Amino acid sequence: QKEVEQDPGPLSVPEGAIVSLNCTYSNSAFQYFMWYRQYSRKGPELLMYTYSSGNKEDGRFTAQVDKSSKYISLFIRDSQPSDSATYLCAMRNSGNTPLVFGKGTRLSVIA
Amino acid sequence: GAVVSQHPSRVICKSGTSVKIECRSLDFQATTMFWYRQFPKQSLMLMATSNEGSKATYEQGVEKDKFLINHASLTLSTLTVTSAHPEDSSFYICSAREGGGGYQPQHFGDGTRLSIL
Repeated sequence: QKEVEQDPGPLSVPEGAIVSLNCTYSNSAFQYFMWYRQYSRKGPELLMYTYSSGNKEDGRFTAQVDKSSKYISLFIRDSQPSDSATYLCAMRNSGNTPLVFGKGTRLSVIA
Repeated sequence: GAVVSQHPSRVICKSGTSVKIECRSLDFQATTMFWYRQFPKQSLMLMATSNEGSKATYEQGVEKDKFLINHASLTLSTLTVTSAHPEDSSFYICSAREGGGGYQPQHFGDGTRLSIL
């Protein structure tokens, strides 16, 4: 079993839809959870960053972490064509350790 | 927000050439920098982690003599691909993090597309 599992998609939704992206993980030591957005031929851009369990909201984006289920989610409300990108979940434990990434989910928002 | 600048964005060169890629943190001090490689439609593969003033720690399977990493200051790390060959063609991305761990996210550069002819 991979440390972080993420459905690669592709996921195609109409403009204005609510998008739900998810990752599961196996390492209970993970404490810091991130979502990155990566456009084609660009580096990943940090969208959301949460510590431990709970919700965090920023504009149209909401990140949820459920450590008891080892499950994290990113919700995008009122999705726009400009949200079309690959979304990567990433996480790590404490200390000076590198991130462990999911494979990324390709999202297309159709106008 | 935190900005990581990576240069150059695109390199095309002949086989046998050495190529240097620079990664700079513009508005924060990057205690730790990371170098990744990404193949088309794949996730990021960590190549090495470097802490300022220390030798880089390479991931298993990454040749340290092939991919030379220098992290001489808190704002600059370089990756040199020595004697590059076509199989080294890839998208290389650097990342930087402020502090030694804890609640500090990683920020990424925009990547360097390397093509070896």
